[in-house]
Amino acid sequence: AQKVTQAQTEISVVEKEDVTLDCVYETRDTTYYLFWYKQPPSGELVFLIRRNSFDEQNEISGRYSWNFQKSTSSFNFTITASQVVDSAVYFCALIPTGTASKLTFGTGTRLQVTL
Amino acid sequence: DSGVTQTPKHLITATGQRVTLRCSPRSGDLSVYWYQQSLDQGLQFLIQYYNGEERAKGNILERFSAQQFPDLHSELNLSSLELGDSALYFCASSPGGSRPQHFGDGTRLSIL
Repeated sequence: AQKVTQAQTEISVVEKEDVTLDCVYETRDTTYYLFWYKQPPSGELVFLIRRNSFDEQNEISGRYSWNFQKSTSSFNFTITASQVVDSAVYFCALIPTGTASKLTFGTGTRLQVTL
Repeated sequence: DSGVTQTPKHLITATGQRVTLRCSPRSGDLSVYWYQQSLDQGLQFLIQYYNGEERAKGNILERFSAQQFPDLHSELNLSSLELGDSALYFCASSPGGSRPQHFGDGTRLSIL
């Protein structure tokens, strides 16, 4: 069975601050994929990134960056110079490689960015 | 716009009733997934279909059923509704496997 833990329930920052959202996972599978999704106040779930367990290179996309560390089973997400539009709930999720491709989600971290 | 279409956006009904939620996947995606999002349970996987066949089942109640049609759209049927079934129901689609699932806007179900 898989488990994804997002210990930070809610984070509040002031615009332009950097913020890191933590994600720790548990799985017995040797190969798996990790994901981040964003749920803005409008309610939809937006895919942000997928990372496979073989690739521990950090990834940067604009103001977003992700740090995957297999040794600590963590896949953290950093927003640099946060903006009000980043306010949302962010979910970390995991899929083991195989035929069953259901996402196991963490409980989410609500990020509030204020002026 | 994810390309996944869910209807209706909102549904208000009473206990004991039956409803059908509809999902049209992104063009080319063969896999459809249903998830339930509630305050107490979070985001929970319900069921997956791949090209018309059931592929995986999660915490789906016996009162709930789903199917995927030859044109790949899917329906989630919820019957004998209870107050606790009030939630946001998401449909997602992907080409299959571990490729990213893209979600629809969800159907918000309210049971009165």
